[in-house]
Amino acid sequence: AQSVAQPEDQVNVAEGNPLTVKCTYSVSGNPYLFWYVQYPNRGLQFLLKYITGDNLVKGSYGFEAEFNKSQTSFHLKKPSALVSDSALYFCAVRDRGTYKYIFGTGTRLKVLA
Amino acid sequence: DTGVSQNPRHKITKRGQNVTFRCDPISEHNRLYWYRQTLGQGPEFLTYFQNEAQLEKSRLLSDRFSAERPKGSFSTLEIQRTEQGDSAMYLCASSPAEGFGNTIYFGEGSWLTVV
Repeated sequence: AQSVAQPEDQVNVAEGNPLTVKCTYSVSGNPYLFWYVQYPNRGLQFLLKYITGDNLVKGSYGFEAEFNKSQTSFHLKKPSALVSDSALYFCAVRDRGTYKYIFGTGTRLKVLA
Repeated sequence: DTGVSQNPRHKITKRGQNVTFRCDPISEHNRLYWYRQTLGQGPEFLTYFQNEAQLEKSRLLSDRFSAERPKGSFSTLEIQRTEQGDSAMYLCASSPAEGFGNTIYFGEGSWLTVV
C-alpha cells in the first residue's frame, strides 16, 4: 500500500534562511511525487512534481525538491525563505500502477520576520 | 482555463439532512477526484472517475455517500442523513489523461458544517 510520512508537524525558520520540509514515502513500484501548498480556507495549489529524470526538480515560487530513491525521500527546499511562504505544505505520492494520490498529514511552515 | 470550480463553498446543515456538492473540472480533464479534509489533517481519498466511470471508492465512502459524474463532465457528491462527523472540507480535483503530466489540480473546496 502507498503511504506518505511528513515527520514534522511544524517547521519554523527565519526569513532569509534556507528551509527544508521533509517527506518520506512508501510505494510498491516507482513513484510519482508531488508537493502542494495550502493557504487558510483554500484548496491545495500545486508546487512541483517528480516524474522521472533529474532527481532535483524545480517548481513554483523558488521551491525545489530532491528525489532520493535509496532513502525513499522527497524533501522540499528553498534557499531563502519569505514570510509569505508561511502556509501548510503537503507531500503526495502516486504509485504508477494506480490513479490514486495519497497525501501526508501536512507540515505547517512558519517563516519569522 | 478557468480552473476547478466547486459549489457551494460553504454549507451549514442540520444533522439528518441531505447535502449535495457540485464540481466542475478543468475542461478536457477526463479524471476527477473527490477528497475529504478535516482540520489538521491531509486530504483523504474518497473516490475517482475516469470520464463517467467511477473506478475506485475508498472504504471511507460509506453507503450514505454517493458520487456521480454523468456524461463525464461535472460531478456531484451527495451525503445522505448527515452526521456531525461529516463536517469537513470536501475537495474536488481533476487531471488530464495519462501522458500529460499527471498533476491533479484542486478546486477551492466546499466546507460542510453539520449542526
